[in-house]
Amino acid sequence: DAKTTQPNSMESNEEEPVHLPCNHSTISGTDYIHWYRQLPSQGPEYVIHGLTSNVNNRMASLAIAEDRKSSTLILHRATLRDAAVYYCISLNSGNTPLVFGKGTRLSVIA
Amino acid sequence: KAGVTQTPRYLIKTRGQQVTLSCSPISGHRSVSWYQQTPGQGLQFLFEYFSETQRNKGNFPGRFSGRQFSNSRSEMNVSTLELGDSALYLCASSNLYEQYFGPGTRLTVT
Repeated sequence: DAKTTQPNSMESNEEEPVHLPCNHSTISGTDYIHWYRQLPSQGPEYVIHGLTSNVNNRMASLAIAEDRKSSTLILHRATLRDAAVYYCISLNSGNTPLVFGKGTRLSVIA
Repeated sequence: KAGVTQTPRYLIKTRGQQVTLSCSPISGHRSVSWYQQTPGQGLQFLFEYFSETQRNKGNFPGRFSGRQFSNSRSEMNVSTLELGDSALYLCASSNLYEQYFGPGTRLTVT
């Protein structure tokens, strides 16, 4: 599993798009990129995952660089409820164990 | 579908005591993982059980143990509690790619 690097914190205005970056320069060909977020006083919540192609779901989009050394989680319209710590995790086989870094603390301003 | 439940939600114990925490996974999920979250160390993987067998183990002392029952419910036990064991203990159940976390048990050791 590759080490990931994320900014400590980011700030966004409500209803604006948010691009959360993640570097994973040592990622191997079979490592998936997973994103989880943890809202205040809650357990982590799965957001999205991908391998090579960009992925979309109801919560967010995941854009993966062509060389797979970086990826970006995109929240299309940030809301106050999106304020959380976002974790980017590189994972090889199966889906455990998740190795959490410090993540990016996203603040959303009304 | 009901989410992951953990009991109790809050617990206060004294140094030297032991504690058992319980986790009920989402129906149909056979994998249960446990994580410890502290302000200093962040989220750290404890162990994972699949079909009543420990499949992965993190780097924690032997005082931390767990088990899984035939209905996939899981318990973790911490013996001879230390002050440093004060943490939020999170349980996650998973299907193929996503882990679903419970709200956690907040353990305070005095």
